[in-house]
Amino acid sequence: DQQVKQNSPSLSVQEGRISILNCDYTNSMFDYFLWYKKYPAEGPTFLISISSIKDKNEDGRFTVFLNKSAKHLSLHIVPSQPGDSAVYFCAASGVGGTSYGKLTFGQGTILTVHP
Amino acid sequence: GAVVSQHPSWVICKSGTSVKIECRSLDFQATTMFWYRQFPKQSLMLMATSNEGSKATYEQGVEKDKFLINHASLTLSTLTVTSAHPEDSSFYICSALIGTALFFGPGTRLTVL
Repeated sequence: DQQVKQNSPSLSVQEGRISILNCDYTNSMFDYFLWYKKYPAEGPTFLISISSIKDKNEDGRFTVFLNKSAKHLSLHIVPSQPGDSAVYFCAASGVGGTSYGKLTFGQGTILTVHP
Repeated sequence: GAVVSQHPSWVICKSGTSVKIECRSLDFQATTMFWYRQFPKQSLMLMATSNEGSKATYEQGVEKDKFLINHASLTLSTLTVTSAHPEDSSFYICSALIGTALFFGPGTRLTVL
């Protein structure tokens, strides 16, 4: 049972344009959401996160939007750069207690940014 | 610089042998570390939570006798894959919880022949 889903296995974007990566979740107990960037044969690198009490968090070129009622979040990268090409994972967790740090990951979306 | 390191970065072993993977937190102490596994073209799956000084807690479906976890110090957790088989071939990644931040290691590629 995939509790975190990234339905687009890949996304191709032109340099300078916006990249929008989507993620859906089913577990209403998830309270904290994260996006990671990963290169092959490397561990994930944290990008940005959002708590369920917010609907938007912005950090430079990266913005994460959360729609709790739809159980949907998205990562916007603008402007996209060729160096952004990687696999992007959406992850979710509960907050506090034994849930903290235990992440449920989506399947990942391969982003390719063309020069 | 790197906050979490793993050793080895890759290992090839014969079926039936045991393999130990180390996860170290650099320059900080981590009472809690996590072990994940990623099969090709799949997401990272949490295997177990490693707690310093106590037994690890395993996720459903993960055999604790096959994947031995030892967190003997505040900077080191080890995962031993016992009697490895080809289906254990995977990318094993650890992470360390520092306060509320989670840092991942670079991963270890295990190939069992």
